[in-house]
This record gives sequence, structure tokens and C-alpha cells, in this order.
Amino acid sequence: KNQVEQSPQSLIILEGKNCTLQCNYTVSPFSNLRWYKQDTGRGPVSLTIMTFSENTKSNGRYTATLDADTKQSSLHITASQLSDSASYICVVSLVRNNNDMRFGAGTRLTVKP
Amino acid sequence: GAGVSQSPSNKVTEKGKDVELRCDPISGHTALYWYRQSLGQGLEFLIYFQGNSAPDKSGLPSDRFSAERTGGSVSTLTIQRTQQEDSAVYLCASSSIGGGPSFFGPGTRLTVL
Repeated sequence: KNQVEQSPQSLIILEGKNCTLQCNYTVSPFSNLRWYKQDTGRGPVSLTIMTFSENTKSNGRYTATLDADTKQSSLHITASQLSDSASYICVVSLVRNNNDMRFGAGTRLTVKP
Repeated sequence: GAGVSQSPSNKVTEKGKDVELRCDPISGHTALYWYRQSLGQGLEFLIYFQGNSAPDKSGLPSDRFSAERTGGSVSTLTIQRTQQEDSAVYLCASSSIGGGPSFFGPGTRLTVL
């Protein structure tokens, strides 16, 4: 069972609408959580990174939240644009070392005009 | 360079042939990661280099896979006797800090016929 579960698997919204993507994890011990955006045919781009003590982190129209107690994170996208169409990947790093990371399968977001 | 670069961008090879994939990380980044991503799947860790430490090869799927990083900069991922199941996008990433990859390259799409 994947230790990082993302939902929904895919999502279609209209341009200008808001949406929220979910990430639940069972990874422990926890170091940090990152959200990446991956455009089709491109490498992932880091959007936000949050450590255990951070509850929220914003990057433009992207706002990530983290509840380390319930092991849940969300990525909220405000006023969506067509260019937001991409896969959004949640990645959790373990404390042990800088390489022990668990990747979610991603949420495929499509923004339609 | 301004970002992580990879070459070639696409590689088509015949089953049984050897291939070499190259990654140029961001200058000064001590951490370098290789991942692969099969169609519609999440990222799969392959290998991790950190400075002069021994690389973490725990993700390499078989002894046909090897990687080296010369001079703490450029890395080459070699796949010997390629198989069709090796077909995937191979992504390289680098980072100057801990907690996982910060910047990904565009990937090399490998197709084994």
C-alpha cells in the first residue's frame, strides 16, 4: 500500500474556479512535505515545501496546508488558469536521510475554458 | 546552466542494446537524484548521490542499471542490455539543501523496441 495517497485521481474544473487537492500519508518519521507540479512531458517543479512545524505555505495562487497530527495536506488553487492543467504530486520525506521519500501517484488536474 | 539539463531528450533503442543518459545538475548542487516514471505512474527512485558520500543505489531495479557522478557534477545513468520494460521517462534532479530534490530536469524519454 502506498504510504502517500492522493485524491482525487483526476479533476476537471472550469477556468476561474478554485479547487483543493488532498494528500494523506502514513509515512513516519516525517521530515517535510512537498507539492510538485508536473506539466505533460516535463519534469516536476517544486511548488511548496513544509516542515513539521509549518501549517501553511503559499506560492502565488497555490496554498498548501499541513496537519501533521492527522497526517493530511491539501493544495488549494485559487482562480484557476488554463496553465494550471498538470499533475500535482505530493512527496513526503522521512527524517532518516535526504533520500528517503515517498511519492504520491498524483492528481491530474484539467482546467477547461 | 540555469537549470538541470538532461540529454538526450528522447532515445529509441533496440532490445539488448546499452544506453547512456546524461544529467547536468545545477552548478554547486551537491545532491543529485535519478528517478524514472512510467506512463501514468508515479516517480520511482533509482539512485541518489550526495557530495563525496557513497551513493544510495537501493532503487536500481537490476544489475543492468548503474550510475556514476564524475567530479561531483555531471552524472551518467547506464542501462545495459535494455529490455522493453525499461521504457520510461528518466528524470534527474538536484538540490543544494536537504529534504529532497528541488529542481528536476526535463527528462529523457527512453523507448526500447
